[in-house]
Amino acid sequence: GENVEQHPSTLSVQEGDSAVIKCTYSDSASNYFPWYKQELGKRPQLIIDIRSNVGEKKDQRIAVTLNKTAKHFSLHITETQPEDSAVYFCAASGNAGGTSYGKLTFGQGTILTVHP
Amino acid sequence: NAGVTQTPKFQVLKTGQSMTLQCAQDMNHNSMYWYRQDPGMGLRLIYYSASEGTTDKGEVPNGYNVSRLNKREFSLRLESAAPSQTSVYFCASSGLRRGIGNQPQHFGDGTRLSIL
Repeated sequence: GENVEQHPSTLSVQEGDSAVIKCTYSDSASNYFPWYKQELGKRPQLIIDIRSNVGEKKDQRIAVTLNKTAKHFSLHITETQPEDSAVYFCAASGNAGGTSYGKLTFGQGTILTVHP
Repeated sequence: NAGVTQTPKFQVLKTGQSMTLQCAQDMNHNSMYWYRQDPGMGLRLIYYSASEGTTDKGEVPNGYNVSRLNKREFSLRLESAAPSQTSVYFCASSGLRRGIGNQPQHFGDGTRLSIL
């Protein structure tokens, strides 16, 4: 099955700096890669996702890049703010028409702390 | 429009007791999922239901059963609770269906379950 590794496990930055979180996946058939943000005691919330037919996607201060050859994808947050502090999870999913049928495999999470 | 609703929010059980976690979505989604979240391990898929009337095992199904009661509701049952099942349980749904590719998963607020 799919295996997703996420690094780093903790990340501490100063307000205004950029933060980068990286994930690698094992199944070359995976084609959907969402990122979730989870604040303490809250539900995971989707912040951005990318499909395998594009290499980069941006949404304001957040961007995701995908390298299918190397099987890794990254989350980039620019101009970080204290409210960006949370746990971030990457995930990967395979062919929605195949046996994996939309199942997500999550990374272990990154605790991001943005210091004012 | 509540999204994904889980009940109860908190529960304490004794070893060997049984209980059912309830999940309902009002987004007319075909696919529903149950995850457990343990510290440092991200979210792991327990069971999923690609459509009404179907269920399949995920990564960690042992000790659990599920029922897709109708399109809206997907319940998770612990027949004989064990301390190793102490966790936070999240239900999710997505509009995934064959032919349109992966769709974002939307999560409920979670059930915090402690087994003594």
